Amino acid sequence: DVKVTQSSRYLVKRTGEKVFLECVQDMDHENMFWYRQDPGLGLRLIYFSYDVKMKEKGDIPEGYSVSREKKERFSLILESASTNQTSMYLCASSRTDSNQPQHFGDGTRLSIL
Amino acid sequence: SQQGEEDPQALSIQEGENATMNCSYKTSINNLQWYRQNSGRGLVHLILIRSNEREKHSGRLRVTLDTSKKSSSLLITASRAADTASYFCATEGNYQLIWGAGTKLIIKP
Repeated sequence: DVKVTQSSRYLVKRTGEKVFLECVQDMDHENMFWYRQDPGLGLRLIYFSYDVKMKEKGDIPEGYSVSREKKERFSLILESASTNQTSMYLCASSRTDSNQPQHFGDGTRLSIL
Repeated sequence: SQQGEEDPQALSIQEGENATMNCSYKTSINNLQWYRQNSGRGLVHLILIRSNEREKHSGRLRVTLDTSKKSSSLLITASRAADTASYFCATEGNYQLIWGAGTKLIIKP
């Protein structure tokens, strides 16, 4: 089974801090994604990556950056955390072939105080 | 951007009844996927239906796709308490998934 592991289930940080969310997948998937999920808004794509060292902006990249130095690891960085970044963050991975599902981690519930 | 819209937003039924959720979308797609999310957890892929398919089954799940109406439905037969979750449709058009806001399903014992 595909396993996508997010480093923290719950995280509390302060406004202005630099925050790192880590995601690791064990199935050699080419694609990795970071979403945020807010009530009533569904999932919104922040950034995605098709390969090592490659990154593409999603729908809401402002205030975030990402890093993919190794194929299995995709990190989301909040450069200077703000209260409006309090949310559930979900990492996913998938194969590049067409018609492939995405596999999700359990999410990180991040609170910015 | 949000493309899929699920209907209803919330659904509460008795255990053993069938549950039907609908999804509408706006643009052409390669496939449509359904996912389940238990409270506070990540999403789990349920079923994928390609744009040239009209119906697909997986256990107690039945998915239909009508590309002329840009809509899909997910039917869960003989519901169980463990089916209580939020259900999301997602459309794939250009190697990315675009998500609806989900249907919250509650199965009453």
